[in-house]
Amino acid sequence: TQLLEQSPQFLSIQEGENLTVYCNSSSVFSSLQWYRQEPGEGPVLLVTVVTGGEVKKLKRLTFQFGDARKDSSLHITAAQPGDTGLYLCAGIGNYKLTFGKGTLLTVNP
Amino acid sequence: SQTIHQWPATLVQPVGSPLSLECTVEGTSNPNLYWYRQAAGRGLQLLFYSVGIGQISSEVPQNLSASRPQDRQFILSSKKLLLSDSGFYLCAWSARDYRLIDTQYFGPGTRLTVL
Repeated sequence: TQLLEQSPQFLSIQEGENLTVYCNSSSVFSSLQWYRQEPGEGPVLLVTVVTGGEVKKLKRLTFQFGDARKDSSLHITAAQPGDTGLYLCAGIGNYKLTFGKGTLLTVNP
Repeated sequence: SQTIHQWPATLVQPVGSPLSLECTVEGTSNPNLYWYRQAAGRGLQLLFYSVGIGQISSEVPQNLSASRPQDRQFILSSKKLLLSDSGFYLCAWSARDYRLIDTQYFGPGTRLTVL
């Protein structure tokens, strides 16, 4: 069974701070996705990373896929209250996603 | 464009009662369909997935079952609910892009409380 460990589980920061959350596995994934989920809603895809060492930027969010394709990180610059939510990483397998337990981020104004 | 619907949005059921949650997808054909359960706002646990009508794969043994009577309809059922069945149930469909990577699109979810 492929497992994804996310850290930290909870993160509470002030508006304007930077943060990084991590997603680690002992297994190799062909690709990995990051989702963001707001309370009472379904997760929404943020990005898919495919190539080892790949870095993708979406405005203030930077995603990195490890060289060995076993780990990934999400860095947020100058966090805003609107970034608050549950951030989930998911490894892609045959028809299925394996989700981590998520990082619950709270950005306080 | 594709849309995914789930109902009901919230449900409160007594222990031992039956359950039926419905999910439908519009704007696509022959999608892969998934049922997940999420406890306490944390990670998603895959319960069932389906790659076609009548084809159901179960990931976790439990008192739940799934059916796919039509191409774009996925139903989650139980004959007798347990307290531990409480949670947030999410339906999803997936599409494969030009890189052959599946992206899953989630419905709005059903909040089930078993008392």
